[in-house]
Amino acid sequence: QKEVEQDPGPLSVPEGAIVSLNCTYSNSAFQYFMWYRQYSRKGPELLMYTYSSGNKEDGRFTAQVDKSSKYISLFIRDSQPSDSATYLCAMYGATNKLIFGTGTLLAIQP
Amino acid sequence: DTAVSQTPKYLVTQMGNDKSIKCEQNLGHDTMYWYKQDSKKFLKIMFSYNNKELIINETVPNRFSPKSPDKAHLNLHINSLELGDSAVYFCASSQDARGQGQPQHFGDGTRLSIL
Repeated sequence: QKEVEQDPGPLSVPEGAIVSLNCTYSNSAFQYFMWYRQYSRKGPELLMYTYSSGNKEDGRFTAQVDKSSKYISLFIRDSQPSDSATYLCAMYGATNKLIFGTGTLLAIQP
Repeated sequence: DTAVSQTPKYLVTQMGNDKSIKCEQNLGHDTMYWYKQDSKKFLKIMFSYNNKELIINETVPNRFSPKSPDKAHLNLHINSLELGDSAVYFCASSQDARGQGQPQHFGDGTRLSIL
């Protein structure tokens, strides 16, 4: 079993919809959580960074961490075609190695 | 200004050759990393240097040798290239990784294809 599980998709939603992306993890030592966006033929771009449980909002993006369930989410409001990309969750444990999910391919249909 | 830059962007070469990839960051970070991303988009850490000192060395064939001449540069040399080395290699950097949980910033990758 992988340490971080993420549905690979693809996930296709109409423009303007709310998108929910999720990851589950097995290691209770993880406490720093990140979401990256990766466009085709580009590097991962840091979107959101959270520590421990709770919510963080930045514009149309909200990151949620539920450590008791070992579950993290990224919500995108008012989705735009420019949000079409692969979204990667990533997290740190005690070893300081960043562990990535496999990524979810998101397509926003105009 | 590009924060983390890698050269070359594309590398097509024959099996058995030796090649190098270069990375530079202008973010003033102390730690740099090499990742391999396979065809299924899975990103896996290979190496990490903090201020020229190797701090992460994953189970990677010893044909792969990183070198950090200074904290702004990290190179990756690969000997005797094999078909399975075909992938995208990403460089990243962060503040001192000995401080926990530092977010990492990535370059745009080097696409290596072995013929």
